[in-house]
Parts: sequence; structure tokens; C-alpha cells
Amino acid sequence: SQKIEQNSEALNIQEGKTATLTCNYTNYSPAYLQWYRQDPGRGPVFLLLIRENEKEKRKERLKVTFDTTLKQSLFHITASQPADSATYLCALPQSGGSYIPTFGRGTSLIVHP
Amino acid sequence: DTEVTQTPKHLVMGMTNKKSLKCEQHMGHRAMYWYKQKAKKPPELMFVYSYEKLSINESVPSRFSPECPNSSLLNLHLHALQPEDSALYLCASSQSEGMNTEAFFGQGTRLTVV
Repeated sequence: SQKIEQNSEALNIQEGKTATLTCNYTNYSPAYLQWYRQDPGRGPVFLLLIRENEKEKRKERLKVTFDTTLKQSLFHITASQPADSATYLCALPQSGGSYIPTFGRGTSLIVHP
Repeated sequence: DTEVTQTPKHLVMGMTNKKSLKCEQHMGHRAMYWYKQKAKKPPELMFVYSYEKLSINESVPSRFSPECPNSSLLNLHLHALQPEDSALYLCASSQSEGMNTEAFFGQGTRLTVV
């Protein structure tokens, strides 16, 4: 089955800098990939979805890229703010015909003022 | 209304109790999901309902029993749980099965089994 890899170490950056988070997958290229934000004790909040035929997607300060050759998605937050501190999860469908996404472990982002 | 509402927010139950978790959405979504999340782990899929019918059961023990009374409501009935079932239970919905569109999660029910 598909293995999803996100950096388990927290990413610490200074306010105003660009945060870049990585999601790697191991097997087949999924039809789409999603990014979510999760705050402690709360449900995930959907941020962006990128499809396999899209190289890049933007939404305000957020940008997602999808490289099917590298089997990787990058998630960027520009002009980061302390309020962006959270865990960011990527999700993509498993193989076997299911389109239900499976979540990666997530990467914790800490933005320091 | 773009919310998924879960009740209760917190629940403490004994191993012999029967309780239910409730989830409601009024976005006209036809797919609803139950996920379980342990601390420091990603959400794990439990059940998927599509057009009010159970379409996926991820080999969940029978002490968890889902129910979809109508297109807006999703319940999870709990009976004879174990302490290791303590977790955050999340409900989600999407326009159709597969979440290849925007998906909405509720805030979760924090369940503690004693």
C-alpha cells in the first residue's frame, strides 16, 4: 500500500519567512493530494487540493506543488505568522481503487515572533 | 452553513456503558466519514457512508456501530469499549465519496474509556 512520509521533526522558523513542508509518497501517483491544518485537540481543516495534472496551486499565502516524478508535494506558507503554528497533514488516496484519502503523520510548524 | 457539528465534545464512559456520538452537516454532502485519532498520530479511517449506505468498514471491531439515519446525520454507537479505544473521534463530510473535493471535519469528540 501507499506509504506517506512527512518530516516528523518540528519545523521552527522566524515570522515573515517562508515555511516549506514536504510530503513524499512511495508507490503509484495519486489522482489528487490534499493538505490540511490541525490545531491541538481540534479537527483538521482543509486547505488545498491539487490534482495529478496540476503542477502548482495557490491560495492567498499558501502554495502547493505536485511533482509526480519525484513523488513529492511541497507546501509553502509565505510571510509566515505565529498564527500559522499548527500541524500540517497531507492526505492522498490509497491504491486498490479506493479514492478515500489516507493521512500522513503531519509536520508541526512553529513560527516564532 | 459550512460546518460539521459533533456532540458531545467530551465523553467519559465506563467499559460496560453504551453511548452514542453524533454528527450533523447541512451542506448537502452525500458522503460522511468517521475517523479515529490517537495522540501524535494521523486520523485513521473507520467508516464511510455514501448516500446513507455504509460503503467502507475498515475492519472496525463490532463494539463500534455506525448509523446514518438520514443524509444530514451520522451516529457512532459505542458499547463495551476498552481503555485503548480512548481517542479523538472525528466526523467528516464531502460532496461525494472519495474526498476529491473539499472535505469538512468536525471538531471531534474526545472520548475517554475508564
